[in-house]
Amino acid sequence: GAGVSQSPSNKVTEKGKDVELRCDPISGHTALYWYRQRLGQGLEFLIYFQGNSAPDKSGLPSDRFSAERTGESVSTLTIQRTQQEDSAVYLCASSIRRDLAGFNEQFFGPGTRLTVL
Amino acid sequence: GNSVTQMEGPVTLSEEAFLTINCTYTATGYPSLFWYVQYPGEGLQLLLKATKADDKGSNKGFEATYRKETTSFHLEKGSVQVSDSAVYFCALSDRGGFQKLVFGTGTRLLVSP
Repeated sequence: GAGVSQSPSNKVTEKGKDVELRCDPISGHTALYWYRQRLGQGLEFLIYFQGNSAPDKSGLPSDRFSAERTGESVSTLTIQRTQQEDSAVYLCASSIRRDLAGFNEQFFGPGTRLTVL
Repeated sequence: GNSVTQMEGPVTLSEEAFLTINCTYTATGYPSLFWYVQYPGEGLQLLLKATKADDKGSNKGFEATYRKETTSFHLEKGSVQVSDSAVYFCALSDRGGFQKLVFGTGTRLLVSP
């Protein structure tokens, strides 16, 4: 398929364990975003990658969260020493470089539902 | 900081009823405004957008007008269908910068036959 894919679709883990979430953006999309959606809340921005530029990590909630992306390909979001409040749906989105009108649609993946017991 | 407030759901309507989902925002500058929709079992999809004041975004019979004077972007549809049942998210992004999206909490719409 040509859409954004994420894996796993569901992850159940025990408190204190590390987890790694994966995002495969649409081919050719230079920008990649991670968001999370906790139950009953809107989506919160976590981190943004644009090509080879330094990522914007301003949305990461703590130093237990980190993300990597190699070039314009796959990204992984890692949560260390998971806590129950990390339970959420983690969404990845990608878009092409900003167009002349200043807008580029973000295309979202199906998300990874993380449950921390 | 930027924020979006939208009406809480669920909104329950009968088929062919008129729909309004309210959305207001707080932002510096001149953000772009969006409505995203999440159908059951599917990912978020862009429904419509407006990038400047007085613009009207429209798609699939849905409309929303960017009202700078009231800082609002209410979603409307004249006649809803059962297939419109979904969760609707209002969002904004800075027109410059990297355009991270700031979302409202979402409004669930349930349409019955």
